[in-house]
Amino acid sequence: GAVVSQHPSRVICKSGTSVKIECRSLDFQATTMFWYRQFPKQSLMLMATSNEGSKATYEQGVEKDKFLINHASLTLSTLTVTSAHPEDSSFYICSAREGRTGSQPQHFGDGTRLSIL
Amino acid sequence: AQTVTQSQPEMSVQEAETVTLSCTYDTSESNYYLFWYKQPPSRQMILVIRQEAYKQQNATENRFSVNFQKAAKSFSLKISDSQLGDTAMYFCAFMRNFGNEKLTFGTGTRLTIIP
Repeated sequence: GAVVSQHPSRVICKSGTSVKIECRSLDFQATTMFWYRQFPKQSLMLMATSNEGSKATYEQGVEKDKFLINHASLTLSTLTVTSAHPEDSSFYICSAREGRTGSQPQHFGDGTRLSIL
Repeated sequence: AQTVTQSQPEMSVQEAETVTLSCTYDTSESNYYLFWYKQPPSRQMILVIRQEAYKQQNATENRFSVNFQKAAKSFSLKISDSQLGDTAMYFCAFMRNFGNEKLTFGTGTRLTIIP
């Protein structure tokens, strides 16, 4: 089956630093990748949709300068949380889809738990 | 805008029993997909089952089946012969079948299988 690898699985860093999270599709080409944020005991909140070779589309209320997304290849997308603060602490999950139609499901990474001290 | 509602925040059932998780959605679209995802304590989202709206036949995947009522906009998940490994958060999700569409998730149901 389709595998999506997300790295790192957990990161703890000081306030003010920038953190990069990688999302890789290991055995398929991901035309589209999605980045979600999940608060404890809550559902997934879509942050942005990333298409290979183009700028990401951010959901309303998500600061694009705060959460930088790069989808430079068909197998890799990165999310960089810039100048992270404690309120950015959360669980971040990526997903990837092969193609752009609804017939292909999203495959999820294992998530990254980000803790900002 | 589409909305997905899961009215059961938590459920529990004895091992080997059958349990049904409810999901309703609201949309003006006629062509869409519905999904059930499972998120165990490991936090990875796992696709359980998918239903295409234009198909009247309910989807089944081994012990998992759905009751898709398009007119009522209802999409429930039935888990038969429940196993301890079924303990997880279950999210119902909606996606329009139009271009590069995103998933809209419900708030989830925490299911606990009791040994």
